[in-house]
Amino acid sequence: GENVEQHPSTLSVQEGDSAVIKCTYSDSASNYFPWYKQELGKGPQLIIDIRSNVGEKKDQRIAVTLNKTAKHFSLHITETQPEDSAVYFCAASNEGSARQLTFGSGTQLTVLP
Amino acid sequence: GAVVSQHPSWVICKSGTSVKIECRSLDFQATTMFWYRQFPKQSLMLMATSNEGSKATYEQGVEKDKFLINHASLTLSTLTVTSAHPEDSSFYICSARDSSVKHGYTFGSGTRLTVV
Repeated sequence: GENVEQHPSTLSVQEGDSAVIKCTYSDSASNYFPWYKQELGKGPQLIIDIRSNVGEKKDQRIAVTLNKTAKHFSLHITETQPEDSAVYFCAASNEGSARQLTFGSGTQLTVLP
Repeated sequence: GAVVSQHPSWVICKSGTSVKIECRSLDFQATTMFWYRQFPKQSLMLMATSNEGSKATYEQGVEKDKFLINHASLTLSTLTVTSAHPEDSSFYICSARDSSVKHGYTFGSGTRLTVV
């Protein structure tokens, strides 16, 4: 089955700096890679996703890059703000087969004011 | 966008009793629903996958007789924790997928279960 590894487990940045979280996956059949933000006591919220037919996607301060050859994808948050502090999870799945998401282990991001 | 409503958001129950958690897709038909369990500071662990009208598929190590899943309609799935024990205390999260559109997976807000 799919295995997703995520690094780092914790990340502290100064407000205004950029944050980068990286994930690798094992199953070359995976074609959908979402990123979720989870605040304490709440369910995960989708912040951005990318499919295997593109290499990069951007939405305001958030961007995701995908390298299919190397089987890794990254989340980039620019101009970080204190409200970006949360746990971020990457995930992977094969949409065509309706397989479930396989999650990374999560990254606790802390943005210091 | 797609919305999944999960209730209750938290529940406290006594050991030996059963607790039901509901997960509803509000504006789409959820052909597949997933139930996850999350311990503090850990990732989401898939418990089971359910397709409307059929039996749920449980992940290895998850007791199907303890965690009863019903997906009787395209908008509602329920997870019942039977004969709950303190070790069942956890954060339970549902997710729904609408295969008619490429919308990914929508998560509920989670249920904090505490068994005393």
